Amino acid sequence: GQQVMQIPQYQHVQEGEDFTTYCNSSTTLSNIQWYKQRPGGHPVFLIQLVKSGEVKKQKRLTFQFGEAKKNSSLHITATQTTDVGTYFCAGLGWAAGNKLTFGGGTRVLVKP
Amino acid sequence: DSGVTQTPKHLITATGQRVTLRCSPRSGDLSVYWYQQSLDQGLQFLIQYYNGEERAKGNILERFSAQQFPDLHSELNLSSLELGDSALYFCASSVAGTGGMYEQFFGPGTRLTVL
Repeated sequence: GQQVMQIPQYQHVQEGEDFTTYCNSSTTLSNIQWYKQRPGGHPVFLIQLVKSGEVKKQKRLTFQFGEAKKNSSLHITATQTTDVGTYFCAGLGWAAGNKLTFGGGTRVLVKP
Repeated sequence: DSGVTQTPKHLITATGQRVTLRCSPRSGDLSVYWYQQSLDQGLQFLIQYYNGEERAKGNILERFSAQQFPDLHSELNLSSLELGDSALYFCASSVAGTGGMYEQFFGPGTRLTVL
């Protein structure tokens, strides 16, 4: 079946630094979504990528979909304490049927 | 506030018992999804309903069942509860039936503790 893996599982970042989290699928995806879950909160949709090689930016966040549509990345610049939380990618692939497969998430901790 | 409501917020029960979790989707959304999130774990998809009918099934145990009613609210029934069922259960909704084509709006979750 389809598996979606995220690395790293934990990311400790100094405030002001940049970091990248990666998402890899075992099968080709139709699209990929990213969600953010703050501590004690619920997942909140950030963005969706559909096209091969697509790049989208949201302020300090840059999302990329790989050319082969099997991987994605989220790059955050100048990390702030408000970036704390767990970032999940979720992929839709026909190998998994009509459902979104979530990765295990990258838990981001920011050191002030 | 996502517009998705879930009740109750917390539920504490004993092994072997049965509980029902309730979810009301955002106004206008026809799909409801149920997820299980164990401590510090990812989101495990359980089941999806679209306009009253089961649309997709994930790793849902046979002891668990769900349904979506004509007013589009959904209930997740968990029976013969085990300690390992303790988790946060999220409901999400989206406008259409294809699970990954539209953003999903998550409710605040129900925290289930089985003692």
